[in-house]
Amino acid sequence: GAVVSQHPSRVICKSGTSVKIECRSLDFQATTMFWYRQFPKQSLMLMATSNEGSKATYEQGVEKDKFLINHASLTLSTLTVTSAHPEDSSFYICSAISLITEGTGELFFGEGSRLTVL
Amino acid sequence: GEDVEQSLFLSVREGDSSVINCTYTDSSSTYLYWYKQEPGAGLQLLTYIFSNMDMKQDQRLTVLLNKKDKHLSLRIADTQTGDSAIYFCAETLLASGTYKYIFGTGTRLKVLA
Repeated sequence: GAVVSQHPSRVICKSGTSVKIECRSLDFQATTMFWYRQFPKQSLMLMATSNEGSKATYEQGVEKDKFLINHASLTLSTLTVTSAHPEDSSFYICSAISLITEGTGELFFGEGSRLTVL
Repeated sequence: GEDVEQSLFLSVREGDSSVINCTYTDSSSTYLYWYKQEPGAGLQLLTYIFSNMDMKQDQRLTVLLNKKDKHLSLRIADTQTGDSAIYFCAETLLASGTYKYIFGTGTRLKVLA
């Protein structure tokens, strides 16, 4: 099956620093990748949708200058949390759609990245 | 607006059946999904159903869709302790050539031995 890998799985950083999270589709080309944020015991909150080679579409209330998304290739999308603060601490999950499963809209999820900002 | 709701918790005994319910508001959804999330992990697709189907069965999983009432359910037969996880239903809407996914609030299933 299609595999999506996120890295790092856990990251701890100091307040004010920037953190980059990578999302890779390992065995398929991802036409679209999505970034979600999940607070403890809560549902997934869609942050942005990114298509290869174009600017990401951010959901209302998500600061695009704060959460930089780059989708440079069909297998890699990155999320950079700039000038991180403790309130940015969360579980970030990416997902991707494969060209093959595009008809059913099946999403393939990464393992998630837990960010802790001290 | 688009909204997908689920009950937050469900507790069952090992060997019993679990039924997780979901209601959604947008009738234009094309597919509806059930995902499973284990602690500290991403989501794993369990099964999906096309919006013009009423039922889909896949081994221990049975999905029922009542499109009139906008109600989706997931039945897990012979529930095992390994089924303890959070279950999310989701619907997809295709708008302007782009998929938009709406996830439910998640139901935390606890299986008691």
